[in-house]
Amino acid sequence: EPEVTQTPSHQVTQMGQEVILRCVPISNHLYFYWYRQILGQKVEFLVSFYNNEISEKSEIFDDQFSVERPDGSNFTLKIRSTKLEDSAMYFCASSAGQGLYEQYFGPGTRLTVT
Amino acid sequence: GENVEQHPSTLSVQEGDSAVIKCTYSDSASNYFPWYKQELGKGPQLIIDIRSNVGEKKDQRIAVTLNKTAKHFSLHITETQPEDSAVYFCAASIAPGAGSYQLTFGKGTKLSVIP
Repeated sequence: EPEVTQTPSHQVTQMGQEVILRCVPISNHLYFYWYRQILGQKVEFLVSFYNNEISEKSEIFDDQFSVERPDGSNFTLKIRSTKLEDSAMYFCASSAGQGLYEQYFGPGTRLTVT
Repeated sequence: GENVEQHPSTLSVQEGDSAVIKCTYSDSASNYFPWYKQELGKGPQLIIDIRSNVGEKKDQRIAVTLNKTAKHFSLHITETQPEDSAVYFCAASIAPGAGSYQLTFGKGTKLSVIP
């Protein structure tokens, strides 16, 4: 069964450093998403991406964040200058579109900013 | 924006009993309501969803009901088994016929099934 994959599973970085989180969405899906979950809190929407453009973004997704689809398979989330409060689990998701609503999530990357 | 409240936050049931998790949403325009199961160390797994044009959907031991007037929806698990133990999240969205959409999640319910 196709699945969304994410790397790395755990990333530790120092405050102020840049991090790139990587995702491989399900191959025939057209829409891609990033969500995050701070420990003990709700899963929160960050951004959606379609046709090489951001479709929607939340107020969390400020200028420190960017997304990219550098090739036909990867989808990345970059945080330019990490802050302590960026520590969270980051989930990538994808959906097929064209009336198929279901979003499928990857296993997540746990980001720890020290 | 949309706000989703989920209850209870924890739920313990005996194996074989039923479990019910309830969610309410605030935006009457929401039309898509998925439920996710998250096991330890894994990402959320879609287990069932319902769209606003139906009131109930069932898949084996899992069912979801939707009351649009009251703006609440519920997950029902019958004949619970130890492998049902996990955190369950409800979500709501205004999902277009085509295009991307964002899910608004509840805080989750930790279900423990006691053998």
